[in-house]
Amino acid sequence: EVQLVESGGGLVQPGGSLRLSCAASGFTFSSYWMHWVRQAPGKGLVWVSRINSDGSSTSYADSVKGRFTISRDNAKNTLYLQMNSLRAEDTAVYYCARATLRHNWFDPWGQGTLVTVSS
Amino acid sequence: EIVLTQSPATLSLSPGERATLSCRASQSVSSYLAWYQQKPGQAPRLLIYDASNRATGIPARFSGSGSGTDFTLTISSLEPEDFAVYYCQQRSNWPLTWTFGQGTKVEIK
Repeated sequence: EVQLVESGGGLVQPGGSLRLSCAASGFTFSSYWMHWVRQAPGKGLVWVSRINSDGSSTSYADSVKGRFTISRDNAKNTLYLQMNSLRAEDTAVYYCARATLRHNWFDPWGQGTLVTVSS
Repeated sequence: EIVLTQSPATLSLSPGERATLSCRASQSVSSYLAWYQQKPGQAPRLLIYDASNRATGIPARFSGSGSGTDFTLTISSLEPEDFAVYYCQQRSNWPLTWTFGQGTKVEIK
């Protein structure tokens, strides 16, 4: 069974840092692009970042560019999101999602981890 | 940047009724459009990809249509488990980014 499990969320002060992890199992992790998507409380889905299968290429939403870094460890079947200079508006549930091999849709998704940025 | 606009924001229907959800793109996305379902407290689930293809395990009552700028998700006969929020999504090739519509909530009338 394909499974994605996020961890690392929590309460952090504005300006602080946090690293999210997404542990993958049930598939050949190193063959798939991966994504992070976030959802602020009561709001819609917002794509955050993506990384290709070997980690050599990444892209980011403008709202997080220069502050967030996506990475992966294919030996550990784990995806990461390093979040620096956090702002109140970064408060959200963060989901990791696997990209489909064709056309890069998101399937499946993890259950999400909540990040709260507040003093 | 391509903007996706979903309508209506909320759709109030009864079980057994037909639901028609719309997603309009600010410029052509060809057939590069997907639909997701999200229930309260759960992660989104892929329903439709490439505008009209059902994802694995998705019931036949869900169908997608459209190309270019206008897309439709149709639920032929609503089941109790279909009351949820639905999002459309597109992928842009340059720059390589993804955007979601704001969502349509299908609620029980």
